[in-house]
Amino acid sequence: GDSVTQMEGPVTLSEEAFLTINCTYTATGYPSLFWYVQYPGEGLQLLLKATKADDKGSNKGFEATYRKETTSFHLEKGSVQVSDSAVYFCALRRAQKLVFGQGTRLTINP
Amino acid sequence: EAGVAQSPRYKIIEKRQSVAFWCNPISGHATLYWYQQILGQGPKLLIQFQNNGVVDDSQLPKDRFSAERLKGVDSTLKIQPAKLEDSAVYLCASSQNGPGETQYFGPGTRLLVL
Repeated sequence: GDSVTQMEGPVTLSEEAFLTINCTYTATGYPSLFWYVQYPGEGLQLLLKATKADDKGSNKGFEATYRKETTSFHLEKGSVQVSDSAVYFCALRRAQKLVFGQGTRLTINP
Repeated sequence: EAGVAQSPRYKIIEKRQSVAFWCNPISGHATLYWYQQILGQGPKLLIQFQNNGVVDDSQLPKDRFSAERLKGVDSTLKIQPAKLEDSAVYLCASSQNGPGETQYFGPGTRLLVL
């Protein structure tokens, strides 16, 4: 069945560091891909999405590119801030269902 | 625009007791979802409503879980009787016209079963 695998957390970085959170997926066909973020005490929020191969989603300085050949959707940010501390979830949507990865907890130290 | 509302935010019960969660979706959103998020895992879809009809409940443990959506707006999720493994965060989400639209999530209800 469909599945999403994220890099193991937690991830701890210093402010202004470069961020990569790896995400790979297994699915038949070409699902839409998403990154959601969950700040402490809040619900999940859509961060960015891509609906077809080679699409790049971007928002708030974060980017991810839909790579069909490697079945990946890695999240990147060039310079992280303390306010980016949260749990990040990669997800795919196919057959009208969202399937989530296990989440990666990110902590940014000043 | 008000977001998805859920209550209660926290609930502690003993095993074999019953519990209910309430969700009020964003106004005008036709599709409503309930997810279960166990600690350290991503959310898992339990049930999906389109207006007041069930679209998908394939992962809902129907021997103990039930859900309804009143008049196509508010929804309740019930567990009876609860088991230790039901300890999780229960998330409600809604989307405007169908599953292809962006899902907006509520803050969740954190359940602890002792």
